[in-house]
Amino acid sequence: AQTVTQSQPEMSVQEAETVTLSCTYDTSESDYYLFWYKQPPSRQMILVIRQEAYKQQNATENRFSVNFQKAAKSFSLKISDSQLGDAAMYFCACKNYGGATNKLIFGTGTLLAVQP
Amino acid sequence: NAGVTQTPKFQVLKTGQSMTLQCAQDMNHEYMSWYRQDPGMGLRLIHYSVGAGITDQGEVPNGYNVSRSTTEDFPLRLLSAAPSQTSVYFCASSRPVGNGGYTFGSGTRLTVV
Repeated sequence: AQTVTQSQPEMSVQEAETVTLSCTYDTSESDYYLFWYKQPPSRQMILVIRQEAYKQQNATENRFSVNFQKAAKSFSLKISDSQLGDAAMYFCACKNYGGATNKLIFGTGTLLAVQP
Repeated sequence: NAGVTQTPKFQVLKTGQSMTLQCAQDMNHEYMSWYRQDPGMGLRLIHYSVGAGITDQGEVPNGYNVSRSTTEDFPLRLLSAAPSQTSVYFCASSRPVGNGGYTFGSGTRLTVV
């Protein structure tokens, strides 16, 4: 079974600074995908960034990047030049590749506050 | 495209009442799932479906029923609501394989009194 752990319930960052959100996961599969989702107060789930486990290169999307350490089963999210609009709950998630179930398993989330 | 449409957005039920949360997607996604979100617990999988006519249980299925008669629709039924089912419910869909993230509905906030 997959498990996803986010050990930081809350984080705070100053506007324009950089913050890193931590995530560790466990899966018995060798092929899987990892995701970070953002949930602002509107409640909508927004895909921020994704990483294929077979790719060694870390994914980047504008100000968002990940540090993917496959051996350590670690998948942290770095937000550079933080903006007030980045304030939200962030969820790390894992999905095994293909298979019969395609289940997406989430961590418990990290609430990010951005201070002006 | 509408994406994933959930109705209603808010609902208050009395203990013991039944109701159905509706979910529809127009992306021809084979895979659909229901999650509940509770403070400090993230999103937990209730039921999922890999295609029309096929459903299976997730992490927290008790008290909920689902069916999948068409590719587009995946309703979630609460048979006899309990206060423990007070939560925010999300429906999501995706293709069965690949790195595509899930597309989520806007959620239903359910309160059982």
